[in-house]
Amino acid sequence: KAGVTQTPRYLIKTRGQQVTLSCSPISGHRSVSWYQQTPGQGLQFLFEYFSETQRNKGNFPGRFSGRQFSNSRSEMNVSTLELGDSALYLCASSYRDRDSYEQYFGPGTRLTVT
Amino acid sequence: GENVEQHPSTLSVQEGDSAVIKCTYSDSASNYFPWYKQELGKRPQLIIDIRSNVGEKKDQRIAVTLNKTAKHFSLHITETQPEDSAVYFCAASPMNTGFQKLVFGTGTRLLVSP
Repeated sequence: KAGVTQTPRYLIKTRGQQVTLSCSPISGHRSVSWYQQTPGQGLQFLFEYFSETQRNKGNFPGRFSGRQFSNSRSEMNVSTLELGDSALYLCASSYRDRDSYEQYFGPGTRLTVT
Repeated sequence: GENVEQHPSTLSVQEGDSAVIKCTYSDSASNYFPWYKQELGKRPQLIIDIRSNVGEKKDQRIAVTLNKTAKHFSLHITETQPEDSAVYFCAASPMNTGFQKLVFGTGTRLLVSP
């Protein structure tokens, strides 16, 4: 099976702009979670989508939002970008049932805000 | 909410030695504990995981142990090789049909010298 894919891989934006990142999960996986990775804060959970519904949310401001489509692909949007939003944004997909907990990560989108 | 502490932050060993990385968690509801390996510039890769109904799990040179009473779990790598050099992250999550959220430790940089 093809792995988790993310587009774009690199992005440079200016403060105040907005950005949309995309994640395509492993075929058959129904859950997509998003994480922010920075040298200072490490890996932090943003939110999880399952069956087109946000199931859980981390401690991030409302500028961070997402959605999931019927084919399980997910997008993450960040509005009014701040310098501190510069990070590697990772998505992870999971089949998510009683017997399958494993999350598999995509390569990430490296966002730089100037 | 869940908090995961990971030690040590850096670990240097000689090739062939064993390496042990330790994590503690705070939320007794957590019942799934994966370990990820992240090489420089690459995505986190799931290397082993354990559920709360199991005390130990082994896969070739790597093993994970879990002490639910003390709320800590450890990664053991035997016969280390230079290609084991990477950053290792532990994580904890309650896993049920309601939601899925991995809380990560701060990472351990493992350096294996030939």
